[in-house]
Amino acid sequence: KQEVTQIPAALSVPEGENLVLNCSFTDSAIYNLQWFRQDPGKGLTSLLLIQSSQREQTSGRLNASLDKSSGRSTLYIAASQPGDSATYLCAVRPTDSWGKFQFGAGTQVVVTP
Amino acid sequence: NAGVTQTPKFQVLKTGQSMTLQCAQDMNHNSMYWYRQDPGMGLRLIYYSASEGTTDKGEVPNGYNVSRLNKREFSLRLESAAPSQTSVYFCAGSWIGTGVSEQYFGPGTRLTVT
Repeated sequence: KQEVTQIPAALSVPEGENLVLNCSFTDSAIYNLQWFRQDPGKGLTSLLLIQSSQREQTSGRLNASLDKSSGRSTLYIAASQPGDSATYLCAVRPTDSWGKFQFGAGTQVVVTP
Repeated sequence: NAGVTQTPKFQVLKTGQSMTLQCAQDMNHNSMYWYRQDPGMGLRLIYYSASEGTTDKGEVPNGYNVSRLNKREFSLRLESAAPSQTSVYFCAGSWIGTGVSEQYFGPGTRLTVT
């Protein structure tokens, strides 16, 4: 069964520092990996989606990489701001589980001014 | 486009009461999902509907029923609420085919059972 892990569960960085968030998955047979942001009391907002054939995807200050063979994805947020404080979750769509997604537990990020 | 919408946003129930959580999407998704999110447990799939007319159990289906009313609407029913069902409930949608699929989430329903 596919398992998705996000370590650390929480981190705090000073404003301006680059953020590096990790997502590991146990089975490389995936269609895609998706990164989400969740603000307290809110729903999940999609940030980036990486297809299994891609190595990375970029949107503004966000860059996500995918190394399918080693079961890892990394989300980089450049020059962090206090507004980046949120919980970040990753999810994979396995090829052997039609229509289901497997989520990590998330990394809670605090960016201090 | 409203995206994925959920009603109500908040609800308080007494043990044993019933209620239905509503979800609708206008994104032409064929698949819809109900998750619950609890502190320390992450997101857990309750039920999903791969297409109109089909529903399947997820990881934690006990105590819940679902109805895929049409392509747009997917409801979650608690027949006899229990304090263990206190949680935040999210509906999501996706277009599922043999390839890349992106999930979109609703804003959530915060349910408290006393």
